[in-house]
Amino acid sequence: GAVVSQHPSWVICKSGTSVKIECRSLDFQATTMFWYRQFPKQSLMLMATSNEGSKATYEQGVEKDKFLINHASLTLSTLTVTSAHPEDSSFYICSASVPSSGANVLTFGAGSRLTVL
Amino acid sequence: AQSVTQLGSHVSVSEGALVLLRCNYSSSVPPYLFWYVQYPNQGLQLLLKYTTGATLVKGINGFEAEFKKSETSFHLTKPSAHMSDAAEYFCAVTGLAAGNKLTFGGGTRVLVKP
Repeated sequence: GAVVSQHPSWVICKSGTSVKIECRSLDFQATTMFWYRQFPKQSLMLMATSNEGSKATYEQGVEKDKFLINHASLTLSTLTVTSAHPEDSSFYICSASVPSSGANVLTFGAGSRLTVL
Repeated sequence: AQSVTQLGSHVSVSEGALVLLRCNYSSSVPPYLFWYVQYPNQGLQLLLKYTTGATLVKGINGFEAEFKKSETSFHLTKPSAHMSDAAEYFCAVTGLAAGNKLTFGGGTRVLVKP
């Protein structure tokens, strides 16, 4: 079936550096991808909707200059956490709608755990 | 606006016993409802979904859920728990106009005792 691949699975970085997380749709094209953030023992919070060829749509309270999203192709969306700080440490998960899966069904990546020291 | 409430952040069941996870939703439009399962350090896997039609939906791994509009509920059940069912379960809602934007409940962690 359709797969959404995220890379890296784990990343540790120093405070003040930037980190890029990739989300790829394998074997299907995704015009829209979604980025979620999940704190330990909590639910998923939608951060932004990534639109191929146009600007991402950010949810209220999410800093667009902090979390840069680029969706340059139909199979790749990237999330860059700029000038990361310890409070940005979290589990980031992307998802995409698979056309063959029916209405509103999203396929999720395995997630990327970011730890900022 | 949409919201999801999952009653009970933790549920403990014995192996072989009934699993019941409660989900209530709020939606201003006809809802599309989902249950996802998440294993540690992994993404989410779809268990089942309700969009239209039959209100009792069957999913993978022996799970099923019933959409009850009058109760605004979409509870998840499994007749007999297995050790492999230990995971975090999320109920989610979206609607036709929501553009695939899912709203998740807080999650319920299931512990299965031998």
